[in-house]
Amino acid sequence: DGGITQSPKYLFRKEGQNVTLSCEQNLNHDAMYWYRQDPGQGLRLIYYSQIVNDFQKGDIAEGYSVSREKKESFPLTVTSAQKNPTAFYLCASSYAGQGYGYTFGSGTRLTVV
Amino acid sequence: QQPVQSPQAVILREGEDAVINCSSSKALYSVHWYRQKHGEAPVFLMILLKGGEQKGHEKISASFNEKKQQSSLYLTASQLSYSGTYFCGTEINRGSTLGRLYFGRGTQLTVWP
Repeated sequence: DGGITQSPKYLFRKEGQNVTLSCEQNLNHDAMYWYRQDPGQGLRLIYYSQIVNDFQKGDIAEGYSVSREKKESFPLTVTSAQKNPTAFYLCASSYAGQGYGYTFGSGTRLTVV
Repeated sequence: QQPVQSPQAVILREGEDAVINCSSSKALYSVHWYRQKHGEAPVFLMILLKGGEQKGHEKISASFNEKKQQSSLYLTASQLSYSGTYFCGTEINRGSTLGRLYFGRGTQLTVWP
């Protein structure tokens, strides 16, 4: 069955560390997205990519980086520059263009220790 | 550009009806609706495109008023399984942001037996 897989489910980061969250999809979707979810805030867009080797900043890109070397994969790195990284991170994918629903992964809960 | 959802929370008894509203200050191409259970990924419910067509399946339906930039989600004869947080996501008519969604803060729906 096709789907979108995020790993790990839980991640702990020490101060000053970079960590990478994995997102893989086998839905043949062109577009992929990273959202951050904090209680009461809804989903805020970090980065998105409509095509391989191209991506755009979302609303809260500072302290994050991404790459899109393969259609199936869109990893997110949370750098030490992100001052408040503790949150629930959701990856999503869809067909490119307007009018297509998103499929979300099951999320990664990141905690700073 | 974040849409405004109302109400923030709804508490229902099984069998009762509910309406959740989503309002944007921008002209919209489409509105998406998602439901998220606690600790899980959001699940796509439906999408409404320009044209004001009402869509739905079984007892969950939605409408889209293009002129007012508003959408409403209707839950009829609610069931326990309807409990969760409902998010609307909006696509605006702007070429450089094709496909990206702006999500509201969510409406928490609780259904009691």
